[in-house]
Amino acid sequence: DTEVTQTPKHLVMGMTNKKSLKCEQHMGHRAMYWYKQKAKKPPELMFVYSYEKLSINESVPSRFSPECPNSSLLNLHLHALQPEDSALYLCASSHPSTSDTQYFGPGTRLTVL
Amino acid sequence: AQSVTQLDSHVSVSEGTPVLLRCNYSSSYSPSLFWYVQHPNKGLQLLLKYTSAATLVKGINGFEAEFKKSETSFHLTKPSAHMSDAAEYFCVVGRNSGGYQKVTFGTGTKLQVIP
Repeated sequence: DTEVTQTPKHLVMGMTNKKSLKCEQHMGHRAMYWYKQKAKKPPELMFVYSYEKLSINESVPSRFSPECPNSSLLNLHLHALQPEDSALYLCASSHPSTSDTQYFGPGTRLTVL
Repeated sequence: AQSVTQLDSHVSVSEGTPVLLRCNYSSSYSPSLFWYVQHPNKGLQLLLKYTSAATLVKGINGFEAEFKKSETSFHLTKPSAHMSDAAEYFCVVGRNSGGYQKVTFGTGTKLQVIP
């Protein structure tokens, strides 16, 4: 089983809203990632968690707040977003030692009005 | 340091003809190389990966890639294109970095399959 799930599939929010994206995997992976992907571009790394600790923050604005409550779950909390934050948000996970392969979820399509 | 260059932003083939998507890489380490496919409004699906085992790597859906160290290339091929192969393809170079994977994506190649 190489499945990473993400909810919701689609999200429309106003600039004053607070919402959260959720990512889950049950493969025993201990590294989890958030990416942002704009149309016709490759994914851009936002955050990396390794063993539930934040390892990388790629200078992401504070209106994006990641959280890793346990080894299977990764959240991305959104607050006061801008229309330019509209994108496909992808979650991925990888095993820390036996494999260097990232497995991606289907993504959440976010639209900020 | 690592980087990857996908030599074609757009490739168009007829159904039933061979597919070739080109990728060159640069890495200071022994690289791990991947090809992912992304259909419209979907996530990325792993097609195949090279991690210093056999240089000819077989993936899903009839795709293959050959690692050529002397040419620093990792081109993706398929003998016969299907309509369902129409998608965006990303070549990725990566390495382990203390419990997580550090990757660099190519800019992508859009494959169009003409009936």
